[in-house]
Amino acid sequence: DIQMTQSPASLSASLEEIVTITCQASQDIGNWLSWYQQKPGKSPQLLIYGATSLADGVPSRFSGSRSGTQYSLKISRLQVEDIGIYYCLQAYSAPYTFGAGTKLELK
Amino acid sequence: EVQLVESGGGLVQPGRSLKLSCVASGFTFSNYGMNWIRQAPGKGLEWVAYISSGSSYIYYAETVKGRFTISRDNAKNTLYLQMTSLRSEDTALYYCARKNWGYYFDYWGQGVMVTVSS
Repeated sequence: DIQMTQSPASLSASLEEIVTITCQASQDIGNWLSWYQQKPGKSPQLLIYGATSLADGVPSRFSGSRSGTQYSLKISRLQVEDIGIYYCLQAYSAPYTFGAGTKLELK
Repeated sequence: EVQLVESGGGLVQPGRSLKLSCVASGFTFSNYGMNWIRQAPGKGLEWVAYISSGSSYIYYAETVKGRFTISRDNAKNTLYLQMTSLRSEDTALYYCARKNWGYYFDYWGQGVMVTVSS
């Protein structure tokens, strides 16, 4: 099974700050990594797919990158509406696996 | 507009069964694989099961294998999750989600709560 190790577990940042969240896959999953944002009481929303592609309607301050089996989600200038929990997902090989999540808070 | 609407949740005693449904609209349901994902209170996301567009491929998480059955009725645009031998650790909000051909979940339902307690 493919494990997804996500870090950090929590993150406190200021408005306009750059934020980076990472996921490490235990095996090669190519570019088949996606990122989701979940706000309190809401369903997860797709942010990034194919490691680097921005989902429809997602602000351009969000971006994704890949270096080998390490994947990163970057928020270039943190906004209030970006507060929530972020998850990575590999749905390339079953059993599909989510990262443990990163809780992003405002400092 | 793509919509996924789950139903069938509720309070159930340990060891009993429950069947969840997810009605899809706004897209050609028979063209997409579908998933169930759950989230225990205050916890992260856990993938539960996947079924391919024509039901040829079905996968389960180890935590539910042998107890849960995923199925679909393409004529009714409906995804199902039959849950048996329920345990307290199955208590969670259950989401259905569409799997895009690019190996990601592009649309999610609002979720349905399942509580397993005596």
